[in-house]
Amino acid sequence: GAVVSQHPSRVICKSGTSVKIECRSLDFQATTMFWYRQFPKQSLMLMATSNEGSKATYEQGVEKDKFLINHASLTLSTLTVTSAHPEDSSFYICSAREGRENSPLHFGNGTRLTVT
Amino acid sequence: GENVEQHPSTLSVQEGDSAVIKCTYSDSASNYFPWYKQELGKRPQLIIDIRSNVGEKKDQRIAVTLNKTAKHFSLHITETQPEDSAVYFCAAGPPGRRALTFGSGTRLQVQP
Repeated sequence: GAVVSQHPSRVICKSGTSVKIECRSLDFQATTMFWYRQFPKQSLMLMATSNEGSKATYEQGVEKDKFLINHASLTLSTLTVTSAHPEDSSFYICSAREGRENSPLHFGNGTRLTVT
Repeated sequence: GENVEQHPSTLSVQEGDSAVIKCTYSDSASNYFPWYKQELGKRPQLIIDIRSNVGEKKDQRIAVTLNKTAKHFSLHITETQPEDSAVYFCAAGPPGRRALTFGSGTRLQVQP
């Protein structure tokens, strides 16, 4: 089945620094990837849709200058949390769908970010 | 945009009993309805999905029903086991390759 790989799985950083999270589709090409954020005991909230070769589409309330998304190839999307603050601490999960319409959404393992 | 509501937020059942989780959605254009199981600290795992041209789908102890007229769909787990304990999320997806909208989740606890 389709596999989505995400790294790192866990990262601790100091306030003010930037953190990059990578998301790769290992056995399929993903023209679109989705970045979700999940706070403890809450649901998955869509942050942005990453489009290969073009700008990402951000959900309302998500700062595009703070959460930089780059989708440079059909198998790789990156999310960079810039100038991280403690309130950015969360579980970030990327996901991707295979090429066909309404194909299942496959999730990466997630990245637990802790900002101190 | 799409809005998905999920009930109940927590559900405790005895081993062997059935569990039912219900979701409603708002966008009549949505045509894809997956269910995910998430264990603590792990990624959501797809357990079953249904498309709008089907009213019911079953996979062993798990079944999903869809009522497009009423815009609601349900997950049924029969003969529950302790390993079924997890958080379950429903989701609704519009046509094409757009993102899914998730429900708020149901924490299922199966008591041995």
